Amino acid sequence: DADVTQTPRNRITKTGKRIMLECSQTKGHDRMYWYRQDPGLGLRLIYYSFDVKDINKGEISDGYSVSRQAQAKFSLSLESAIPNQTALYFCATSPGTSLGHEQFFGPGTRLTVL
Amino acid sequence: SQQGEEDPQALSIQEGENATMNCSYKTSINNLQWYRQNSGRGLVHLILIRSNEREKHSGRLRVTLDTSKKSSSLLITASRAADTASYFCATAYYNQGGKLIFGQGTELSVKP
Repeated sequence: DADVTQTPRNRITKTGKRIMLECSQTKGHDRMYWYRQDPGLGLRLIYYSFDVKDINKGEISDGYSVSRQAQAKFSLSLESAIPNQTALYFCATSPGTSLGHEQFFGPGTRLTVL
Repeated sequence: SQQGEEDPQALSIQEGENATMNCSYKTSINNLQWYRQNSGRGLVHLILIRSNEREKHSGRLRVTLDTSKKSSSLLITASRAADTASYFCATAYYNQGGKLIFGQGTELSVKP
């Protein structure tokens, strides 16, 4: 079984709808991250969490919110989706304790907002 | 922005040739990492080099780090068609509290 899973894998929605993307991990890592990937722009950090009670904004948090329900679960919400949020979204995890550990990525969610 | 730059943006070579990708970054780092992404899939960690290291090997991969030039290179030797993917560098800056800053990636195509 995959260590980091994301649901759904693909989603098409309409402008103004609320969308939730979910991430679960079995690696036992404290740190979890949400990124979005757009062609030619690499990965940009949306939100991250270093433990269950910790939530931090990343580079591009506007229009997004997150919930860390448990060590293993980190959800990303788009309260009112807009077309420029069409992108590939990745969840990642890493061990805690020190700077810049290797990150482990989920398979991604391809979101299209019409 | 502390996002580093990678070059080239795209690279096309024949099987058996070596592929070199470069990454530049902005300020002092704790470490630099390289990741691989097959089309539309999640990133996979390849190698991590710490700021006090100059070279690291893993199989056909060789990574170098020059902190004076704030740059790193990833060399893939004897490339195979299966190496076709995008490659990203990611930097762990001291002032970013454990986050990674990803470059824009190099798209490598290895032709059989």
